[in-house]
Amino acid sequence: GESVGLHLPTLSVQEGDNSIINCAYSNSASDYFIWYKQESGKGPQFIIDIRSNMDKRQGQRVTVLLNKTVKHLSLQIAATQPGDSAVYFCAELISGGGADGLTFGKGTHLIIQP
Amino acid sequence: EPEVTQTPSHQVTQMGQEVILRCVPISNHLYFYWYRQILGQKVEFLVSFYNNEISEKSEIFDDQFSVERPDGSNFTLKIRSTKLEDSAMYFCASSEDRGNEKLFFGSGTQLSVL
Repeated sequence: GESVGLHLPTLSVQEGDNSIINCAYSNSASDYFIWYKQESGKGPQFIIDIRSNMDKRQGQRVTVLLNKTVKHLSLQIAATQPGDSAVYFCAELISGGGADGLTFGKGTHLIIQP
Repeated sequence: EPEVTQTPSHQVTQMGQEVILRCVPISNHLYFYWYRQILGQKVEFLVSFYNNEISEKSEIFDDQFSVERPDGSNFTLKIRSTKLEDSAMYFCASSEDRGNEKLFFGSGTQLSVL
């Protein structure tokens, strides 16, 4: 079946640097994408979302880019801080009736080096 | 900031026993979900609940599972006869309404079946 996947399981960056976490999706019918952050011992926390009619969306220190041509999603975190250390999941959905069956990727562990 | 709360944070049970995992969704939310995460694996959708009935359920959500909203604030997941493979972190989530895909997750209940 089609699924969401992540390119790298672990990403280590220096504090203050920018980080980019990548995600590939294969379900061309997916039209809504979300990035979640999961800190140790906590539930997934919504970071930012994007719909398929957009290719870029910015939040506070985060930017999500969507390339529908190659079915690729990325999360950019600017000026990383120790608190950014977490596992980051992308998730996809065919929208229209709620978040039933949101499909998560496996996660990338972002490590911020001091 | 309003949050989804889950109790207990950890639950240890013997195989074959019944467990009830409890959740208090955000008060003005109408759409509720259970997801689970087996250690080291993806977050997986179990069930969604709207207007006092199950809206969608995954293949994982078999006859051993049930959900209930016993009062105006609680949302529970019951596993009737636990199996070893039910050991996982169980996350409750809620969203404002059907059609709003932005989910808010609780911190999870770690279920260990011995």
